[in-house]
Amino acid sequence: GDSVTQMEGPVTLSEEAFLTINCTYTATGYPSLFWYVQYPGEGLQLLLKATKADDKGSNKGFEATYRKETTSFHLEKGSVQVSDSAVYFCALSDWYVQGAQKLVFGQGTRLTINP
Amino acid sequence: DAMVIQNPRYQVTQFGKPVTLSCSQTLNHNVMYWYQQKSSQAPKLLFHYYDKDFNNEADTPDNFQSRRPNTSFCFLDIRSPGLGDAAMYLCATSRDEKLFFGSGTQLSVL
Repeated sequence: GDSVTQMEGPVTLSEEAFLTINCTYTATGYPSLFWYVQYPGEGLQLLLKATKADDKGSNKGFEATYRKETTSFHLEKGSVQVSDSAVYFCALSDWYVQGAQKLVFGQGTRLTINP
Repeated sequence: DAMVIQNPRYQVTQFGKPVTLSCSQTLNHNVMYWYQQKSSQAPKLLFHYYDKDFNNEADTPDNFQSRRPNTSFCFLDIRSPGLGDAAMYLCATSRDEKLFFGSGTQLSVL
């Protein structure tokens, strides 16, 4: 079945550092791809998404590009802040039927930003 | 304001003692989901509802049941919890390929 593999954490960076969290996927079709973020004590929130090859999703300074040739959707940010400390989940949409979809998640990458 | 609300935040139950987890939503979304997330693992879909239509994932154990009495509420029933069912349970709703998650209920089984 479809699967998502994320860079293992935890990742610790200093404020204003460049961030990359790697994500690769295996899928039989052409799924939509997502990054979700989970701040401490909160639920997962959609950070960004891309629905087809070469699309770039962006939000809050984060970016990720849907690369079909490398089956990747790496998350990047040019200058991280302490408030970016959270767990980041890469996911793909396995199916989408009647308004419902199945997300297949990676295992999550915990990011800590030190001042 | 919280849009998907899960109660309680932490739930402790005994081995084999039935437990119910609750989820409510103020978004009026047709679709609701339950995900299970074990420690340091990916969230895994257990089942979902489209309105009152229940859809079970093929590998969801029979020990897990769900009820959705109306649009706003959805319950996860674990009939006989085992130690392996200790996990974070996440409720979500969706619209237009975007999922809205609650904060989760952390279930411990003693």
